[in-house]
Amino acid sequence: DTGVSQNPRHKITKRGQNVTFRCDPISEHNRLYWYRQTLGQGPEFLTYFQNEAQLEKSRLLSDRFSAERPKGSFSTLEIQRTEQGDSAMYLCASSPPGGVPWTQYFGPGTRLLVL
Amino acid sequence: DQQVKQNSPSLSVQEGRISILNCDYTNSMFDYFLWYKKYPAEGPTFLISISSIKDKNEDGRFTVFLNKSAKHLSLHIVPSQPGDSAVYFCAASRAAAGNKLTFGGGTRVLVKP
Repeated sequence: DTGVSQNPRHKITKRGQNVTFRCDPISEHNRLYWYRQTLGQGPEFLTYFQNEAQLEKSRLLSDRFSAERPKGSFSTLEIQRTEQGDSAMYLCASSPPGGVPWTQYFGPGTRLLVL
Repeated sequence: DQQVKQNSPSLSVQEGRISILNCDYTNSMFDYFLWYKKYPAEGPTFLISISSIKDKNEDGRFTVFLNKSAKHLSLHIVPSQPGDSAVYFCAASRAAAGNKLTFGGGTRVLVKP
């Protein structure tokens, strides 16, 4: 049973460029979550999917951010026109279907540095 | 508005002794609480959880206690081992809110040999 995987693990980009991250959840996990973690802080919720439906987006997710989960499998998080304030660790988590409550299992994260 | 707080940014403990990590929350609607452990450059690893209908859950060396009236939970690690040195996050969720996690700021634990 492989865990949650995220690619790339590291990304350095220049301000104004677009970046895209990918998350592959644990197979058969129908819920997928994106979080962002900055230095010295706990992770903060960005958005989540149940199957292919995006059910909630945080106020942290500005119009420059978009997330998709086609066919309810992997998910992508795109940031357009990156800003230095976007520099952070982007974490993906998945949880299985079933009764309440669900435990979320995290991937290794993608560390983004915007220069 | 920080709904989950970990007031101790760091903790140092001798190997073999007990580590006690504390967490406070403000939202009484939370119904599930979790502890995660995080090493540098890795994602959080799930440790242990507790439902709001319980006051204690134990798994090996890890025990989580929940005091709903005080809106307080704690994680006990006994005995502490050098490999436990990491940052620990408490998190809370509500089933009615999609179970998205609200995290505390973390406590860095150092276990000295």
